[in-house]
Amino acid sequence: KAGVTQTPRYLIKTRGQQVTLSCSPISGHRSVSWYQQTPGQGLQFLFEYFSETQRNKGNFPGRFSGRQFSNSRSEMNVSTLELGDSALYLCASSFADREVGYTFGSGTRLTVV
Amino acid sequence: KQEVTQIPAALSVPEGENLVLNCSFTDSAIYNLQWFRQDPGKGLTSLLLIQSSQREQTSGRLNASLDKSSGRSTLYIAASQPGDSATYLCAVGAGGTSYGKLTFGQGTILTVHP
Repeated sequence: KAGVTQTPRYLIKTRGQQVTLSCSPISGHRSVSWYQQTPGQGLQFLFEYFSETQRNKGNFPGRFSGRQFSNSRSEMNVSTLELGDSALYLCASSFADREVGYTFGSGTRLTVV
Repeated sequence: KQEVTQIPAALSVPEGENLVLNCSFTDSAIYNLQWFRQDPGKGLTSLLLIQSSQREQTSGRLNASLDKSSGRSTLYIAASQPGDSATYLCAVGAGGTSYGKLTFGQGTILTVHP
């Protein structure tokens, strides 16, 4: 079966712009989480959605937001991009949350210039 | 606040060696622990998931153990191969309202040379 699909794979944006990243979870999975990975900070949790509701949020500024649709697909949005937002953004999905662990996508590489 | 530490940060071994990667966490009130591998520029591939009530899990040449009381997990790789070269990440999941949140270590970069 298809894995977690993230689009686009690569993005280059200019400071001050906004960007939207997409994540399609494995069919049947209703929990979607987002992470930011940078060389300095490693992997950091952004937020988690389940059945269109945000259940948990990490310590990121309000410029980072997300949503989940009725088909479980999720998007995250970053407004007013800063150079420090350059990172690999990963999403993960799960069928039964913590009981079965998480499956990650290949990520979206965002470069802010 | 949960903190996860992985030792060593990097490891280089000849093909065929058995090796152990270490992971420690500060808060023993975990729900589960998951080991991942990450190839350069790629996403994470799940290797093993250990629930808090379990002591170990095995998959092929991989064996992961968990000692919740001491806050430690080890990943044992038997008969290493060049294809095992990657970054190995340990991640801890908490209970309660920490939905979707895994706390990751900084990883161990493994190089297996022929």
